[in-house]
Amino acid sequence: GAGVSQSPRYKVAKRGQDVALRCDPISGHVSLFWYQQALGQGPEFLTYFQNEAQLDKSGLPSDRFFAERPEGSVSTLKIQRTQQEDSAVYLCASSLSRVNTEAFFGQGTRLTVV
Amino acid sequence: GESVGLHLPTLSVQEGDNSIINCAYSNSASDYFIWYKQESGKGPQFIIDIRSNMDKRQGQRVTVLLNKTVKHLSLQIAATQPGDSAVYFCAEIWVGGNTPLVFGKGTRLSVIA
Repeated sequence: GAGVSQSPRYKVAKRGQDVALRCDPISGHVSLFWYQQALGQGPEFLTYFQNEAQLDKSGLPSDRFFAERPEGSVSTLKIQRTQQEDSAVYLCASSLSRVNTEAFFGQGTRLTVV
Repeated sequence: GESVGLHLPTLSVQEGDNSIINCAYSNSASDYFIWYKQESGKGPQFIIDIRSNMDKRQGQRVTVLLNKTVKHLSLQIAATQPGDSAVYFCAEIWVGGNTPLVFGKGTRLSVIA
């Protein structure tokens, strides 16, 4: 596709509900990143994939957060038993390689936990 | 759309003037420094980057300056336009580190027409 696509654009979840956020990266991009952005803050790193391998998940805030990229393309970020503090914009980015400075971001998924 | 940067420091600039946005970084081992622009409701967009062995790089209407002595990065925008209004983030990449593309704190640029 023309750019990184994320869905849904907005998600409202009741506390305790599981959610799944999807990211379609740019075709051919090896690296895929997930970030969490709270209101008024910069993007905070969550996890990173190189093809299908999850090389760094040090930013995932708890074991309720899980990400996968089984075929090295589309990625899903899953949050189990959502809490109010999970409310944020979740950004996905892709790039040609881990050290490529130009990462392309999607519009993000705005998650609101009520 | 999504509102970004409600609580970030704000720089207000008159249209046509030059803007200077500053960033302090902490990792002296970082290999690349990058500026991203984020408009309301959108994801960050790459503007310009600079390698750690350089001190200046120019793009179209933008210049990035790197002072490694004081760990300071700046973005200069010439002839600021209303379309430049956004939140600007500095970011860095340490090739030898585990975490790729770490973002710093942002600055909201508000252009006064």
